[in-house]
Amino acid sequence: KAGVTQTPRYLIKTRGQQVTLSCSPISGHRSVSWYQQTPGQGLQFLFEYFSETQRNKGNFPGRFSGRQFSNSRSEMNVSTLELGDSALYLCASSFRGGGYANEKLFFGSGTQLSVL
Amino acid sequence: QQQVKQSPQSLIVQKGGISIINCAYENTAFDYFPWYQQFPGKGPALLIAIRPDVSEKKEGRFTISFNKSAKQFSLHIMDSQPGDSATYFCAGGSGGSNYKLTFGKGTLLTVNP
Repeated sequence: KAGVTQTPRYLIKTRGQQVTLSCSPISGHRSVSWYQQTPGQGLQFLFEYFSETQRNKGNFPGRFSGRQFSNSRSEMNVSTLELGDSALYLCASSFRGGGYANEKLFFGSGTQLSVL
Repeated sequence: QQQVKQSPQSLIVQKGGISIINCAYENTAFDYFPWYQQFPGKGPALLIAIRPDVSEKKEGRFTISFNKSAKQFSLHIMDSQPGDSATYFCAGGSGGSNYKLTFGKGTLLTVNP
């Protein structure tokens, strides 16, 4: 079974631009979550999608948005990029999400975003 | 009330030694406590997890000890190996529609041969 696939692997953008990151979950998984990882703040939850609906959202500004398609693939968009948005963006998938007993999150290798 | 505090930030252990990483949480709604292992260039991978109705869970060389009254839990790696060198994250999560994981800031473990 293929794992969680994130594209692109690396991305360099300049301030003010926008960026779209892509995530393909493990086949059969319907929940996709996004996390931001930085050296100073660690991993921080962005949002979770299940069956094309956003179920939960972290404490990030509205410049961060996402969506999920009918095939469970997900995209994350960041508009008006700031220097502080430089981070590793991780996508994770699970079968149902929602904190069910023994539910496991499987992470992709992430997209490393650098904002210059 | 969402924080998970993890210590130490970094840890150096000799091969064969015991590695211990500690975490403390504030949110009493947490009902799921996983540990993740992350190698450079990779995403975190679930190592072991515990629910608050048990005080200890062991899987191979990895053991979670959980103290509900103190709101603390720890990861013990017995017989540490150089291949265990990685960053370890503890986390807390709660079920239902508001599921999300709150992570500690990570511990960089180095196991010297």
